[in-house]
Amino acid sequence: GAVVSQHPSWVICKSGTSVKIECRSLDFQATTMFWYRQFPKQSLMLMATSNEGSKATYEQGVEKDKFLINHASLTLSTLTVTSAHPEDSSFYICSARDIQRKFFEQYFGPGTRLTVT
Amino acid sequence: AQTVTQSQPEMSVQEAETVTLSCTYDTSENNYYLFWYKQPPSRQMILVIRQEAYKQQNATENRFSVNFQKAAKSFSLKISDSQLGDTAMYFCAVPVPGNQFYFGTGTSLTVIP
Repeated sequence: GAVVSQHPSWVICKSGTSVKIECRSLDFQATTMFWYRQFPKQSLMLMATSNEGSKATYEQGVEKDKFLINHASLTLSTLTVTSAHPEDSSFYICSARDIQRKFFEQYFGPGTRLTVT
Repeated sequence: AQTVTQSQPEMSVQEAETVTLSCTYDTSENNYYLFWYKQPPSRQMILVIRQEAYKQQNATENRFSVNFQKAAKSFSLKISDSQLGDTAMYFCAVPVPGNQFYFGTGTSLTVIP
């Protein structure tokens, strides 16, 4: 149980275009999902917290107009990178909390590698 | 403010030996959980073990165990009988209000055959 999927796993886009990444909890409901960014050999950096039915909360320094997050249902959150630039190239990981569990652990998706050319 | 420190950027261990990864943290919370996650080369984050701070007993999951020292805010991970599949980045994580995680900088563990 507690499986989180991400789609796509790998995407290449041209500079100036937008790309959407989906994060789904497959076998549980997640009122809260998180989006992280990870550079090679570095730790996970929290970008935003996504709550179902409300606006996402962004971490300091993360441009909310560039990284659009929508959490339309208890099993789906999306991250849209708008007007992508090469510096947006990174590994993006989502995670979700199971509202039925008390331990606050997060279940992680497999990640999406974004390359902007 | 919460901080999580992993002071060992890289470690190596011989197969079948034991290794301990260190983690110290700071939190203003009284009741909290602590986690160790593993990130193998596939980059999928995998939960290794959790510790409930109000429990004095150290958590154990098969070959993985923790040494939790609440007063010292120390949460180390011991891996016994190391296997090649244990080669990965290991991250210590502390949840904060709002349920975000603060992650440590990670320890890259290599198991040598």
